Amino acid sequence: GAGVSQSPSNKVTEKGKDVELRCDPISGHTALYWYRQRLGQGLEFLIYFQGNSAPDKSGLPSDRFSAERTGESVSTLTIQRTQQEDSAVYLCASSPRWVGELFFGEGSRLTVL
Amino acid sequence: AQKITQTQPGMFVQEKEAVTLDCTYDTSDQSYGLFWYKQPSSGEMIFLIYQGSYDEQNATEGRYSLNFQKARKSANLVISASQLGDSAMYFCAMREDLLTGGGNKLTFGTGTQLKVEL
Repeated sequence: GAGVSQSPSNKVTEKGKDVELRCDPISGHTALYWYRQRLGQGLEFLIYFQGNSAPDKSGLPSDRFSAERTGESVSTLTIQRTQQEDSAVYLCASSPRWVGELFFGEGSRLTVL
Repeated sequence: AQKITQTQPGMFVQEKEAVTLDCTYDTSDQSYGLFWYKQPSSGEMIFLIYQGSYDEQNATEGRYSLNFQKARKSANLVISASQLGDSAMYFCAMREDLLTGGGNKLTFGTGTQLKVEL
């Protein structure tokens, strides 16, 4: 499809395990964002990539969280040693430039038992 | 201070009526953008409308309009002729510092849950 694609859509893991979430942005979109949405809450900014510039990591909650993006393509968000408070929906979004609306994927729901 | 404040956690409106969802924001930047997104129970985020800080006219998109009051720092969403399908969570968001390229992330409010009733 032409939209932002995220996988897996659902992930259940045990506390302490590492997880990797994937985002495939809309082709041609230079900007890519990760947000976290806990149940019943708003969206919490995690990290932003713009082209080849250094990413804005100011929203990452701890050093257990990291993200990578190769060029203007796929991004992966990695959570190491997961904790129960990491349970949330992780939303990826892309935009064609650094202004304008964000186009969101359907999210990856992470449940840490 | 919160960047985006949505004071209505829940709202009810009757079908075919208009409803206003409140949003106030806090920024010292002169150039910024305000957005509204809809999130139905399915979870997807749907872009509704955008207002730039220098736009003199209030933004409109079909049944959606944005009541932009710059001096009051408010950007309320007005939905006219509500439909059952409008039942969803609505988020106000802001992007700051557009002119210098610092406007990267959108900062979101906590949302308003709208329920449209027959």
